[in-house]
Amino acid sequence: NAGVTQTPKFRVLKTGQSMTLLCAQDMNHEYMYWYRQDPGMGLRLIHYSVGEGTTAKGEVPDGYNVSRLKKQNFLLGLESAAPSQTSVYFCASSYGPGEETQYFGPGTRLLVL
Amino acid sequence: SQQGEEDPQALSIQEGENATMNCSYKTSINNLQWYRQNSGRGLVHLILIRSNEREKHSGRLRVTLDTSKKSSSLLITASRAADTASYFCSTGANSKLTFGKGITLSVRP
Repeated sequence: NAGVTQTPKFRVLKTGQSMTLLCAQDMNHEYMYWYRQDPGMGLRLIHYSVGEGTTAKGEVPDGYNVSRLKKQNFLLGLESAAPSQTSVYFCASSYGPGEETQYFGPGTRLLVL
Repeated sequence: SQQGEEDPQALSIQEGENATMNCSYKTSINNLQWYRQNSGRGLVHLILIRSNEREKHSGRLRVTLDTSKKSSSLLITASRAADTASYFCSTGANSKLTFGKGITLSVRP
């Protein structure tokens, strides 16, 4: 099992450009999450999904959109990137509700110039 | 908003020594978890303790939970250089996990 995978691993964007981060899991988990990690801030929840076709806002959703068209995939979109979105993005999944054990991907490092 | 606050922010010990990390939180929780993050990697789950449990062990890890004081501690015994990483406390409630800012542990060979 690959667990949770993320693509790409690293990306540089110019302000105003758009991109989509892809997360895939092969554990048949219902719940999936997107976090961002900034120095000194820990992890903050951006959006999450409790099942195929569902999405919900987390703590810091502004500037991001998500889609969960297939159970195994969770996409994070930036429509118009801003320097404040420079961060490391982590996807995670869990079998049960989010307060149960979460399994994390390796991260995507995004630099917005 | 961050629920768990870890203490200390950084810890440096000699290989073979024990490492103790603390976490405090503010509101009621269903469980408390500890995760490890090696440099440049994703988080890895270490241990989960539920609100009705007081102590749990997993290999060289021992975690305690005191819900009356809203605090937890993670003890790593006989530390190894490979334990060098950041450690995060996360509290589980309302179907979400909330993470602290992390503790940087350095184990000197």
